[in-house]
Amino acid sequence: GAGVSQTPSNKVTEKGKYVELRCDPISGHTALYWYRQSLGQGPEFLIYFQGTGAADDSGLPNDRFFAVRPEGSVSTLKIQRTERGDSAVYLCASSPGHPGGYTFGSGTRLTVV
Amino acid sequence: AQTVTQSQPEMSVQEAETVTLSCTYDTSESDYYLFWYKQPPSRQMILVIRQEAYKQQNATENRFSVNFQKAAKSFSLKISDSQLGDAAMYFCASQGGSEKLVFGKGTKLTVNP
Repeated sequence: GAGVSQTPSNKVTEKGKYVELRCDPISGHTALYWYRQSLGQGPEFLIYFQGTGAADDSGLPNDRFFAVRPEGSVSTLKIQRTERGDSAVYLCASSPGHPGGYTFGSGTRLTVV
Repeated sequence: AQTVTQSQPEMSVQEAETVTLSCTYDTSESDYYLFWYKQPPSRQMILVIRQEAYKQQNATENRFSVNFQKAAKSFSLKISDSQLGDAAMYFCASQGGSEKLVFGKGTKLTVNP
């Protein structure tokens, strides 16, 4: 596609529920990143994929968070047993692999009530 | 570890005037990149300008330029001839030693007509 697509745009869920957030990167981009942006803050790194494998998952806050990219294209960020503190905008970006080559999506705003 | 500090939560400028947004950073890497991103209400992070640390010349992109002071670890953004469409959140970010970006907390820029 022309850009990075993230769905849904907004998601409201109840505390304790499971959610999946989807990211469709730019075709041909081998690298894919997830960031979390809390209100009034800059984005914080969660996880980075190179192809199908997670090359760096050091930013995942705990084991309730998990991400996959099974075919090296679309990625899904999965959050189990959601908590109110998980409320944030989740941004996805893809890159062909050179510094500054990131293209960001418009994010998913997750609200846990 | 890398850190990025933006000390101006909010700035305002008159249309057609010039404004400078401040950013300081800290890194132990010898090879790194610095970026300014714009985030309008659409939430998508848009790359404004990037600077390779090994380059002494300050980067310029049309009305946007940086003042990169490597010894002082300072990386300010100057916007000339400000336009109403420049109003947004601006984030300074660094990348070095890994694929992930480290962002500051952002500066909200208001452009007054």
